[in-house]
Amino acid sequence: DAGVIQSPRHEVTEMGQEVTLRCKPISGHNSLFWYRQTMMRGLELLIYFNNNVPIDDSGMPEDRFSAKMPNASFSTLKIQPSEPRDSAVYFCASSPRQVNEAFFGQGTRLTVV
Amino acid sequence: QQPVQSPQAVILREGEDAVINCSSSKALYSVHWYRQKHGEAPVFLMILLKGGEQKGHEKISASFNEKKQQSSLYLTASQLSYSGTYFCGTAGGSYIPTFGRGTSLIVHP
Repeated sequence: DAGVIQSPRHEVTEMGQEVTLRCKPISGHNSLFWYRQTMMRGLELLIYFNNNVPIDDSGMPEDRFSAKMPNASFSTLKIQPSEPRDSAVYFCASSPRQVNEAFFGQGTRLTVV
Repeated sequence: QQPVQSPQAVILREGEDAVINCSSSKALYSVHWYRQKHGEAPVFLMILLKGGEQKGHEKISASFNEKKQQSSLYLTASQLSYSGTYFCGTAGGSYIPTFGRGTSLIVHP
């Protein structure tokens, strides 16, 4: 298996623009996580899906952030409008079941200028 | 609430031992340990479940004391490849971890 695939790997955008990050989890995994990593806060959980259903989105910073999982093989994280403080590395991870290791994608480095 | 890791950074020479501690203010059901090398994704090391268990992974082992809401990661006879940032994730009944800010480990020859 190719592992968790994220795209794009790098994104530079201007403040106010919409940004969409994409994730393809490992086939057969039914849990999917979106994390944000910054120097200040470390690794923060934004949202968790189980069987394509959002279970816990309490980590989503504000209404500008939204996430979807239309099917078992694809998820998106959207920021609209983007702000400079959204600059971070965003990781997607998947897991075969809830209590198990999570496999992380290579991340998307987002820079909002 | 994020668990607290200590120390924030460790610098070692090859062959030396290190301990990384992780504590939480909330009741814990599981503790998850990951290592992240610079510019890469975090990689799973181990999960410890409620019951006060210990686990080992080559020369890296960990303990979990749920009464004290603490876990420790032990790195024995460290190797250059152990360098990276170590994250502990603590979880309640959902078993979904909340990660600490990480401990940076640097191993010198």
